[in-house]
This record gives sequence, structure tokens and C-alpha cells, in this order.
Amino acid sequence: GQQLNQSPQSMFIQEGEDVSMNCTSSSIFNTWLWYKQDPGEGPVLLIALYKAGELTSNGRLTAQFGITRKDSFLNISASIPSDVGIYFCAGQLYGGSQGNLIFGKGTKLSVKP
Amino acid sequence: DAGITQSPRHKVTETGTPVTLRCHQTENHRYMYWYRQDPGHGLRLIHYSYGVKDTDKGEVSDGYSVSRSKTEDFLLTLESATSSQTSVYFCAITPRGGHGYTFGSGTRLTVV
Repeated sequence: GQQLNQSPQSMFIQEGEDVSMNCTSSSIFNTWLWYKQDPGEGPVLLIALYKAGELTSNGRLTAQFGITRKDSFLNISASIPSDVGIYFCAGQLYGGSQGNLIFGKGTKLSVKP
Repeated sequence: DAGITQSPRHKVTETGTPVTLRCHQTENHRYMYWYRQDPGHGLRLIHYSYGVKDTDKGEVSDGYSVSRSKTEDFLLTLESATSSQTSVYFCAITPRGGHGYTFGSGTRLTVV
């Protein structure tokens, strides 16, 4: 089936550093989404991207929808301890059956104060 | 808040016993999903529903069944739990007018 390759799997960074993670796919998507999961909770939507080339910001977070529609990246600037968690990318297709949101395996972010 | 409640939040059960997890939503969403989350595998779709009594299989449906007898409740049943079904289970809905899914807080299931 379809797969998203998300990298890196994990990151250990110092507070204040910038973070970058990305997702690639062999398939084209019409929407890219980025989620964050805090320990013991469900994933929460951070940013949704709807057009190829789109660059969207949400506070210190910036995400881009790749021109080829097969990739996306998420940047976090000036990381803080509460950025700790698992970040998931997801690609969404239109058409076909529902249940068509494909998830990456996640990037686990650890921030050292 | 999409009004999604999962119950129980934690459960320990013995191998071979039946287990039912409940997902309850209060906003009349049509689509509901069950995912499991395991280290190294991310989120994998088990089953989903597109309406009352309308369900379909996802990527990892073996050993699981679902039922949706009313819009607000989507039940996931493990007929005979196995240790490989130890996992964190998430319910999700498709928010009206939005993209992506909104997730519940999860049920941590341990099969011993």
C-alpha cells in the first residue's frame, strides 16, 4: 500500500535550536497535514496544507507542501521544552473510499533545557 | 473540541478474553475511525465507518470487529484478545468542513 517516509525518526536538540523534519511519498496527495502528539494524548492537528507550493505558518511552526505534491516539511523555530512530543505527517487523497489518510511513522522530538 | 470520548482509558485483560472499546461522539459526524498506535509502526487503520451500519476494513483489521448501531457510537471488539493486540487505540472523526481527522485521547490496552 501507500507509504509515507518520515525523517528523522527522532531528534535530540537543545532549547532554542531550530528543527526540521520531512515526509516523502511515491504517491501524490491533495492535502498534507502535520500533527503533534503529547504523551498520553491523541494527535492534534498543527497545520494543514492544501496547494502545491503552499507555505503556511502557525506561530513558530512553518510547513510547506512540496511542488511535486509528493513531499512536505515542517520547521520549528527556536524550540522550547513544550515542543517535546511526536510529530506525524499525513497525506490525504480525494476520491475513493474514506479511510484515505496515510500517516508517517512519526518524529520523536526531545528538547534539552 | 470535537466531543470525542473513548472508554475505557486503560484496560488490562487476559489472553483469550473478549474486549470492547467504545468511541462516543456528540456532534453527529458521519465518518469514524479506529487506529492502533505501536512503536515503529505509527498509526495504522483498523476499521472505519461511513454511517450507521456501514463499516469497512482498514490496513490491520484481522482479529478485530466493529459495530455502529447509532451515529454517536463506534465500538471496536477484540473477540479473543492476544498479546499482539497490546497497543494504544485511537478513535477519530472527520470534522465537518475540515480536513484530516480529529482524534480522541486513546485507550491503552494491555493483554497479558
